[in-house]
Amino acid sequence: GEDVEQSLFLSVREGDSSVINCTYTDSSSTYLYWYKQEPGAGLQLLTYIFSNMDMKQDQRLTVLLNKKDKHLSLRIADTQTGDSAIYFCAERDNAGNMLTFGGGTRLMVKP
Amino acid sequence: DTAVSQTPKYLVTQMGNDKSIKCEQNLGHDTMYWYKQDSKKFLKIMFSYNNKELIINETVPNRFSPKSPDKAHLNLHINSLELGDSAVYFCASSLGTPGEAFFGQGTRLTVV
Repeated sequence: GEDVEQSLFLSVREGDSSVINCTYTDSSSTYLYWYKQEPGAGLQLLTYIFSNMDMKQDQRLTVLLNKKDKHLSLRIADTQTGDSAIYFCAERDNAGNMLTFGGGTRLMVKP
Repeated sequence: DTAVSQTPKYLVTQMGNDKSIKCEQNLGHDTMYWYKQDSKKFLKIMFSYNNKELIINETVPNRFSPKSPDKAHLNLHINSLELGDSAVYFCASSLGTPGEAFFGQGTRLTVV
């Protein structure tokens, strides 16, 4: 079955860039997503990328996709304390019916 | 206005009890989901309904029974609760594409 993996934890200083990495196994994934979960809240969709793209930029967020290596990353420029949260990557299965989530990366931003 | 709302937000109950969690969305979406998030934050889909029809049922015990009375509602009933059912349950909805899903705030279920 599909497997999505992320590192557990990332700590950065305010103003620095953060890079959160994700690897997946399903080569037929069509869309890959990044979600943000703040404490006590549900998941919020941040951005997504179609599998035929290798980069997508949206304000402070840059998504890079290396389809050959099945590697996805999310770069947050000028990281702020409000960016502290858990970030989940997810892939959509070939049938398009469900998402498989990674275990989440907890981002801590220090002032 | 809350897009996807779940009730209750917190639920503490004893083993063996039966409980329900309700979910409603006012976005006009046609697909609704239940996800379970365990204590390590691992998130896994349980059920997916499209236009009131079950389309995904991921190896969930029979004690869990989803019910969708209409497209805007997907409720989760759990029989004979066990300690291992303790988790945060998230409802979500989408219009077709599962990735562009809106999530509810979650229901933290604690079984004692």
